[in-house]
Amino acid sequence: QKEVEQNSGPLSVPEGAIASLNCTYSDRGSQSFFWYRQYSGKSPELIMFIYSNGDKEDGRFTAQLNKASQYVSLLIRDSQPSDSATYLCAVRSDGQNFVFGPGTRLSVLP
Amino acid sequence: EPEVTQTPSHQVTQMGQEVILRCVPISNHLYFYWYRQILGQKVEFLVSFYNNEISEKSEIFDDQFSVERPDGSNFTLKIRSTKLEDSAMYFCASSGGLADTQYFGPGTRLTVL
Repeated sequence: QKEVEQNSGPLSVPEGAIASLNCTYSDRGSQSFFWYRQYSGKSPELIMFIYSNGDKEDGRFTAQLNKASQYVSLLIRDSQPSDSATYLCAVRSDGQNFVFGPGTRLSVLP
Repeated sequence: EPEVTQTPSHQVTQMGQEVILRCVPISNHLYFYWYRQILGQKVEFLVSFYNNEISEKSEIFDDQFSVERPDGSNFTLKIRSTKLEDSAMYFCASSGGLADTQYFGPGTRLTVL
């Protein structure tokens, strides 16, 4: 059974701070990793993806992947109240479908 | 910007009735998916579809479920005899290639009474 784990939160950070979201996965053969943001009652919206070990930056977002530790994280710099949402980690192994984590609820306090 | 669309946005049905949820994937995408999310729970994979056939399905996708691409644009999910536990948000997604990002539609909220 392929599992993806995330702290459910809520994670509260003050506006302007760095929010750090973590995800671990069980399948060592996993190949690609995605972060989605989901506002309440809405569909998942892609933030970024990462395939290789190391860091990948896109604007205020940085994804970090460590395949040896089976760990992927998302850093959000200069957090804004509009970043308040649930962040979903999705992992794809050798198939096509994603295995989603339960999500971490982020609250950015003004 | 192209997007996945889904209809209806909300469907209410009686237990035992059949429902069809509709999706229009992004036009040049080749891979199509259905996921569901029960309220307060995680997003769960149901089925993937490529080249007019199912390529993967989960344990959730039992004989009560079926998918179809009836024409060049629509992708449907049918639940033959709905149960109370089928109440959830159903998301359609599509991707251009096997290893590509999946883009999600806005979802259909299914309520089974």
